[in-house]
Amino acid sequence: GAVVSQHPSWVICKSGTSVKIECRSLDFQATTMFWYRQFPKKSLMLMATSNEGSKATYEQGVEKDKFLINHASLTLSTLTVTSAHPEDSSFYICSAKSRLAGRDEQYFGPGTRLTVT
Amino acid sequence: AQTVTQSQPEMSVQEAETVTLSCTYDTSESDYYLFWYKQPPSRQMILVIRQEAYKQQNATENRFSVNFQKAAKSFSLKISDSQLGDAAMYFCAYSVYSGGGADGLTFGKGTHLIIQP
Repeated sequence: GAVVSQHPSWVICKSGTSVKIECRSLDFQATTMFWYRQFPKKSLMLMATSNEGSKATYEQGVEKDKFLINHASLTLSTLTVTSAHPEDSSFYICSAKSRLAGRDEQYFGPGTRLTVT
Repeated sequence: AQTVTQSQPEMSVQEAETVTLSCTYDTSESDYYLFWYKQPPSRQMILVIRQEAYKQQNATENRFSVNFQKAAKSFSLKISDSQLGDAAMYFCAYSVYSGGGADGLTFGKGTHLIIQP
């Protein structure tokens, strides 16, 4: 149990276009989902926290107009990179927190590699 | 702001030996969680072990154990009987406790663990 999927796993897009990444909790309901960014051979950096039905909370320095996050249901959150540029190329990872009482572990998705050309 | 420091970019250990990975953190919070995550080449984040700050007893999961020194803000990971499958990047992570449990994670820069056969 506690599986999180991401789609797509790998995407290439042209500079100036937008790309959407989906994060789904497959077998549990997630009150909260988190989005992280990982540069090559670097650590993960928390970008934003999304709660179902409310606006996402962005970390300092993260452009909310560039990285649009929508958490439309208890099993789906999306990250849209708008007007993508080569510097947005990165590995994006989501995690989901179980709704079960007392469960505070985050379950990570497999990540999405974004390449902007 | 909370920070997590891993001072060992890379560690190497002989198979079947014991290795300890270091982690220190800085926080003004009294209630928080600490984690060790493993990231193999697949880049899937795998939870190794977790520790709630209010618990004095060090967490243990089979061959993995931690040495949690709250006053010193130190959280090291000991891997006993190292196996080839333990080779990966290891990230120490911190999360403040909110009303709903653990919050978004702050990661250290990681330690690349090499297992010598």
